[in-house]
Amino acid sequence: EPEVTQTPSHQVTQMGQEVILRCVPISNHLYFYWYRQILGQKVEFLVSFYNNEISEKSEIFDDQFSVERPDGSNFTLKIRSTKLEDSAMYFCASSPPPTGNGYTFGSGTRLTVV
Amino acid sequence: SQQGEEDPQALSIQEGENATMNCSYKTSINNLQWYRQNSGRGLVHLILIRSNEREKHSGRLRVTLDTSKKSSSLLITASRAADTASYFCATDANDYKLSFGAGTTVTVRA
Repeated sequence: EPEVTQTPSHQVTQMGQEVILRCVPISNHLYFYWYRQILGQKVEFLVSFYNNEISEKSEIFDDQFSVERPDGSNFTLKIRSTKLEDSAMYFCASSPPPTGNGYTFGSGTRLTVV
Repeated sequence: SQQGEEDPQALSIQEGENATMNCSYKTSINNLQWYRQNSGRGLVHLILIRSNEREKHSGRLRVTLDTSKKSSSLLITASRAADTASYFCATDANDYKLSFGAGTTVTVRA
């Protein structure tokens, strides 16, 4: 069964550093998403991406964050100048067109900011 | 907010028993989805029920949806130790995002 692949599975970074989380969505999916889950809390929507542009973003997704689809297969989330409160599990997901089908989530990247 | 809210927050059952958890939400939806998450792991899509459907089955899973009450239930029949996980409902209002509830933690005792 097709999978969404995320790398790395765990990243530890110093506060203030930039991190890039990588995702390979399912190849025939057109909608891509990032979600995050702070330990013990709800899964929160960050951003959705379609046709090489952001479709929707949450209040969490401020100027510190950016997304990119650099090469037609990867989908990245960049977090600039990380803060302690950015520590969370970050999930990438993709869905086929149209939205309204089930999403396929990756296994997540656990980001720890120290 | 249209976020789903599950209850109970936690559920402990004996292997072989059924587990039922509920989800309520606030606004109109296109569909509602249930996901499972094993501790510290990714989200696994279990089942999707559209707003014009009332009940759906998948293996040992049964999902109902009552749009008039803005609620859904997930029933896991004949539970197994491997069903131990957190279960989340997520609503899709066709606005390019899912809104997740806080989840129900299910523990199945052998």
